[in-house]
Amino acid sequence: DTGVSQNPRHKITKRGQNVTFRCDPISEHNRLYWYRQTLGQGPEFLTYFQNEAQLEKSRLLSDRFSAERPKGSFSTLEIQRTEQGDSAMYLCASSLWDRLHTEAFFGQGTRLTVV
Amino acid sequence: QQPVQSPQAVILREGEDAVINCSSSKALYSVHWYRQKHGEAPVFLMILLKGGEQKGHDKISASFNEKKQQSSLYLTASQLSYSGTYFCGTGRQAGNMLTFGGGTRLMVKP
Repeated sequence: DTGVSQNPRHKITKRGQNVTFRCDPISEHNRLYWYRQTLGQGPEFLTYFQNEAQLEKSRLLSDRFSAERPKGSFSTLEIQRTEQGDSAMYLCASSLWDRLHTEAFFGQGTRLTVV
Repeated sequence: QQPVQSPQAVILREGEDAVINCSSSKALYSVHWYRQKHGEAPVFLMILLKGGEQKGHDKISASFNEKKQQSSLYLTASQLSYSGTYFCGTGRQAGNMLTFGGGTRLMVKP
């Protein structure tokens, strides 16, 4: 499978715990995006990387959220001290940015439930 | 500010046509269309770029009015597999993050 891969697919955690999600993009893609989606809503931008550089973070992203892409390949998204409001689907997408081809392809997502 | 999609929901019979609209108050570089089925990832359908370039699905067409910052997705001769929620995502620069609309739920019945 050469698509975007996310792990785990589902995560249930207790409020206050830390969680980490992983995203493996399509291999030649240099841009990687994280989005959050709640039921009945469109995906909401969180942050994105070009190679290992984090280029933009949403103002909605609190200090409890951090993302890395250390070697410009896979990325991790960590949420510290989870709250019930963090329950959502966390989607990763990747694209090959070369000024002409900017379509992004999404992974299956990680569904987080904070209890 | 997120783009506005209309209609919010539509029900079709197999073989009927539908149009989904996406409108932004901001100047756009690109409009991206995705379809998402329940519990699954959004699937890329179409990208429309400022200047007229398009790329996407063979059986789905779309338009992008750069002056009005509006895009429309045209679904012709709908099939059962077209059911799902359609999202438009707007980009203000090439390769940047997308801002998604609230979605249009499409149901195709036999």
